[in-house]
Amino acid sequence: DVKVTQSSRYLVKRTGEKVFLECVQDMDHENMFWYRQDPGLGLRLIYFSYDVKMKEKGDIPEGYSVSREKKERFSLILESASTNQTSMYLCASSLGGQALNIQYFGAGTRLSVL
Amino acid sequence: TQLLEQSPQFLSIQEGENLTVYCNSSSVFSSLQWYRQEPGEGPVLLVTVVTGGEVKKLKRLTFQFGDARKDSSLHITAAQPGDTGLYLCAGDKSGGSNYKLTFGKGTLLTVNP
Repeated sequence: DVKVTQSSRYLVKRTGEKVFLECVQDMDHENMFWYRQDPGLGLRLIYFSYDVKMKEKGDIPEGYSVSREKKERFSLILESASTNQTSMYLCASSLGGQALNIQYFGAGTRLSVL
Repeated sequence: TQLLEQSPQFLSIQEGENLTVYCNSSSVFSSLQWYRQEPGEGPVLLVTVVTGGEVKKLKRLTFQFGDARKDSSLHITAAQPGDTGLYLCAGDKSGGSNYKLTFGKGTLLTVNP
């Protein structure tokens, strides 16, 4: 079974703090994704990566950055957390290549910025 | 522009009832996936449909992909409280480039005992 592990289930941070959300997948997937999920807005793509050190902006990249130094790990960074970044953050991975585009999700990190 | 429209947005039914959830688009997708997300958890894949007109069954859940590959439906027979959750459809327009999926906003289903 594919396993996508997010380092924290719950985080509480203060405005202005630098926040790191970590995600690890164990199935040698090429692609990794970060989403945020808010009521009424659905899943919104923040950033994705299709290879080590490669990244592309999603639909709402402002206020976020990412890092992918190793294939299995994809980090989301909030440089200076703000209250409007309070949300559920979901990491996902997919195999890539010519395989069916199926994304596998972690359990999520619920971030509260006070 | 919301490329995948899901309806209804909310659904509250009694145990034993049947229901259908719809996922519609004006775009053609090479494949479409259905996920279920339970409170506080990440989405879990239920099924992928690839061929226009395809029907897949997963116990009491029946998934159909439209002939034109623009829409899909999920039908649950004799719903149970364990079916409660957020049902998401997601379409792949890439046809092999394997990057982004287009997600609907979901249908929040509550099955009352």
